[in-house]
Amino acid sequence: AQKITQTQPGMFVQEKEAVTLDCTYDTSDPSYGLFWYKQPSSGEMIFLIYQGSYDQQNATEGRYSLNFQKARKSANLVISASQLGDSAMYFCAMREPLRPGSARQLTFGSGTQLTVLP
Amino acid sequence: GAVVSQHPSWVICKSGTSVKIECRSLDFQATTMFWYRQFPKQSLMLMATSNEGSKATYEQGVEKDKFLINHASLTLSTLTVTSAHPEDSSFYICSARNPLNTEAFFGQGTRLTVV
Repeated sequence: AQKITQTQPGMFVQEKEAVTLDCTYDTSDPSYGLFWYKQPSSGEMIFLIYQGSYDQQNATEGRYSLNFQKARKSANLVISASQLGDSAMYFCAMREPLRPGSARQLTFGSGTQLTVLP
Repeated sequence: GAVVSQHPSWVICKSGTSVKIECRSLDFQATTMFWYRQFPKQSLMLMATSNEGSKATYEQGVEKDKFLINHASLTLSTLTVTSAHPEDSSFYICSARNPLNTEAFFGQGTRLTVV
């Protein structure tokens, strides 16, 4: 079974500073996908970044980068130059691998509430 | 713009009534959609997987007779909360996967309050 762990219930960061949100995962499958989503107070889930287990390079999307350490089974999200609008809940998620009969749903971590301070 | 549209965004209903929530994929055909439930300050918990043209697959502990799922077309899945009770009050959010890319798109979510 897959498991996603986010050990930081809450994080604070000063505006314009960088912050790292931790995510570790557990799976016995060699093929998997890792996602980060942002959920503001409105409730919508905003896709931030994706990392495939076979991707050689760490994923980057603008101010978001994923520090993927496969051997340690960690996929930490790094947000650079934090902005006040970054204050939200952040979820790490894993998608199960492609196999017959699999719907490939996402399994979510417990989330980290990030607060950016002015 | 949104590629998955969910309606309504919020609903208040009386205990004992039924509520239908719609999830539409706007830009692609989604053979599979997912329904999640989220309590305040908690993570998203998968309730069921909705399969176009066949029965939904429910997660353990989710009552299929209470949470009716219909996926009659490649762009629409509906979740009906039947005989709603206050404990059903929650945030419900759907997701659809575009088979052509890696991303899973989410609807805007529905905040259900049963009074």
